[in-house]
Amino acid sequence: EDQVTQSPEALRLQEGESSSLNCSYTVSGLRGLFWYRQDPGKGPEFLFTLYSAGEEKEKERLKATLTKKESFLHITAPKPEDSATYLCAVFAGSQGNLIFGKGTKLSVKP
Amino acid sequence: SAVISQKPSRDICQRGTSLTIQCQVDSQVTMMFWYRQQPGQSLTLIATANQGSEATYESGFVIDKFPISRPNLTFSTLTVSNMSPEDSSIYLCSVEDRGGFGQTSGISYEQYFGPGTRLTVT
Repeated sequence: EDQVTQSPEALRLQEGESSSLNCSYTVSGLRGLFWYRQDPGKGPEFLFTLYSAGEEKEKERLKATLTKKESFLHITAPKPEDSATYLCAVFAGSQGNLIFGKGTKLSVKP
Repeated sequence: SAVISQKPSRDICQRGTSLTIQCQVDSQVTMMFWYRQQPGQSLTLIATANQGSEATYESGFVIDKFPISRPNLTFSTLTVSNMSPEDSSIYLCSVEDRGGFGQTSGISYEQYFGPGTRLTVT
């Protein structure tokens, strides 16, 4: 069964303290791995799609990387406005839908 | 990227009643998806809605409980029927964007979500 696991469930950082969020997956036929940001009371905001091991993508303070078993979302020198829940999802096989992890709730304190 | 709006943004409903959620996209899209996000849980796909054909439901979801309409390429509705407190959740509309040729696979794929409808059933 396809599965996505995110860790940690929650992460508290001080402003400027870099860290990484993990998304491990077990799927057959990965076609893409997605990262989203979700603020309270809002829908997920698309960040990245990664397609193959070794691929990296960056957006402002965020950098996503992908291996054959997991993806990391690196946050460099975070700011309080980076506080949100970060969701990972995989697009696999012929299902045509995204399988989501439960997310990592990030809090950045000034 | 597609801009997606949903109505209503939130509602409080009594058990046994039904609520229809509307999803409007600012561009024509082939596939639209409806997801549910229960408190503290990950997003779960309810069904895929293609224009001109019946929706395809995921395991655990049935048409009688969640009827879907897709009258054109920019609009869809999801009805939550005969509601119970267990249906309290956020319901999200989503569309896919299969872009141009920028990746080694020759296909780029992105999926966007609407703001969600927060439903509380009492």
